[in-house]
Amino acid sequence: AQSVTQLGSHVSVSEGALVLLRCNYSSSVPPYLFWYVQYPNQGLQLLLKYTTGATLVKGINGFEAEFKKSETSFHLTKPSAHMSDAAEYFCAVTASTGNQFYFGTGTSLTVIP
Amino acid sequence: DSGVTQTPKHLITATGQRVTLRCSPRSGDLSVYWYQQSLDQGLQFLIQYYNGEERAKGNILERFSAQQFPDLHSELNLSSLELGDSALYFCASSVAGQRTQHEQFFGPGTRLTVL
Repeated sequence: AQSVTQLGSHVSVSEGALVLLRCNYSSSVPPYLFWYVQYPNQGLQLLLKYTTGATLVKGINGFEAEFKKSETSFHLTKPSAHMSDAAEYFCAVTASTGNQFYFGTGTSLTVIP
Repeated sequence: DSGVTQTPKHLITATGQRVTLRCSPRSGDLSVYWYQQSLDQGLQFLIQYYNGEERAKGNILERFSAQQFPDLHSELNLSSLELGDSALYFCASSVAGQRTQHEQFFGPGTRLTVL
């Protein structure tokens, strides 16, 4: 079975500061990992994904994430936060052999001007 | 715009009633997924259909049912509604049914309020 834990339901950063959103997963088989963003009153939008290959994955809007198998982590980072990054972020895992996504409980990012 | 459409955007109804939520996937996508998002339980996977057939089941109540039609649109039926069913219901679609490296594309959601 797969599961995802997102540490920190609320994260606040200053504009221009580093963004770090944490995600740890549990999977008995090689995982596929995803980060989604949800802006107010909208659906989820894919930021980036890891399936196979390079463990550092670059996504849209300057975000990136690194798959660390030894730490079972897939943390999301962005060097410099913008006001427009304020949103809810969800980490998700699915098994390479399966077809069901498991989402974390989400992290609400606030960017302080 | 993800290409996934959901209707209606908002739905207000009373306890005990039945409602139907509709989803049209992106052109070419064969899989449809339904999720429930509530404040206390986060984003919960309900059910997946692939090319008309049920493929995976999550935390879907017996009062809820879904189907996918030959034109690939899907409907989620919620019956005997309770206050706790108030939530955002999302539909997502994906190219494939089994190879999950393909991401899901989410619709804008239907906000259900049960009074």
